[in-house]
Amino acid sequence: QSVLTQPPSASGTPGQRVTISCSGSTSNIGSNYVFWYQRLPGTAPKLLIYSNGQRPSGVPDRFSGSKSGTSASLAISGLRSEDEADYYCAAWDDSLSGPVFGGGTKVTVL
Amino acid sequence: QVQLQESGPGLVKPSETLSLTCTVSGGSISTYYWSWIRQPPGKGLEWIGYIYYSGTTNYNPSLKSRVTISIDTSKNQFSLKLSSVTASDTAVYYCARQIVVPAAYFDCWGQGTLVTVSS
Repeated sequence: QSVLTQPPSASGTPGQRVTISCSGSTSNIGSNYVFWYQRLPGTAPKLLIYSNGQRPSGVPDRFSGSKSGTSASLAISGLRSEDEADYYCAAWDDSLSGPVFGGGTKVTVL
Repeated sequence: QVQLQESGPGLVKPSETLSLTCTVSGGSISTYYWSWIRQPPGKGLEWIGYIYYSGTTNYNPSLKSRVTISIDTSKNQFSLKLSSVTASDTAVYYCARQIVVPAAYFDCWGQGTLVTVSS
C-alpha cells in the first residue's frame, strides 16, 4: 500500500469546495515539501501544487495546498466539471531517499 | 515546451527483462533529473528511480536489485531496464522530469505506457 494516505474518493456539486487530505510521517511530509498532481482521464499527470502551497503558472487559484505537521491537504474551491480527475500527493521520504506518493483520490463532480 | 514520450514493448514474458525508453523533446536532457514512475492496475504511483544527466542514479530500494536506468545525452533519451519481471510488474510506466532532489518535484510527465507481464 501507498506510503502516503489519501481518501479514495471525494465529491461535490459545481461551485462547492472539496478538500483532499494526505497523511504521512516525520520522514516524509513532516520534513519535506508536499506536491500535488492532477491526472485527468486519459492524460499524463500534471503538477498542480509545489512546495506545499505554490501554484505553477497556468493553474487556477481555485486550487490551494497547505501542510501542517505530518499532514497536507488540497482544496478545490468553486468546483467545476473539468476538475473531475485523480489527485495524488507526493513528498520526498528521507528513509527511502526517494519520492513517495499517496494512493490517489478520485474527485467526482455530481 | 518540454515533452516526454515513452516507448517499448507492451508485453513482456515472466522472468524476462522489461526495457523502455523515454525520448525528451523541446529541451535538453543535459540538466535536471530524469525519473521512472509506475502505477500497477488499481494501485497508487510508485517511484522506480532517477538518473542525473551526469549519470548518477538513485533507485527505489525495493527494486534496486533489478533496475538499471541509463541516459544517452546524444539522443536526448533515457532508459529503464527491469529484470526478472513477474506479473506484479504489470503497470503503466511513466517517465518524468524531476526538477530537484530531494523533492518529489516532477514538472513534466510522459503519457505513460502499459506494460503487461504475461506468457
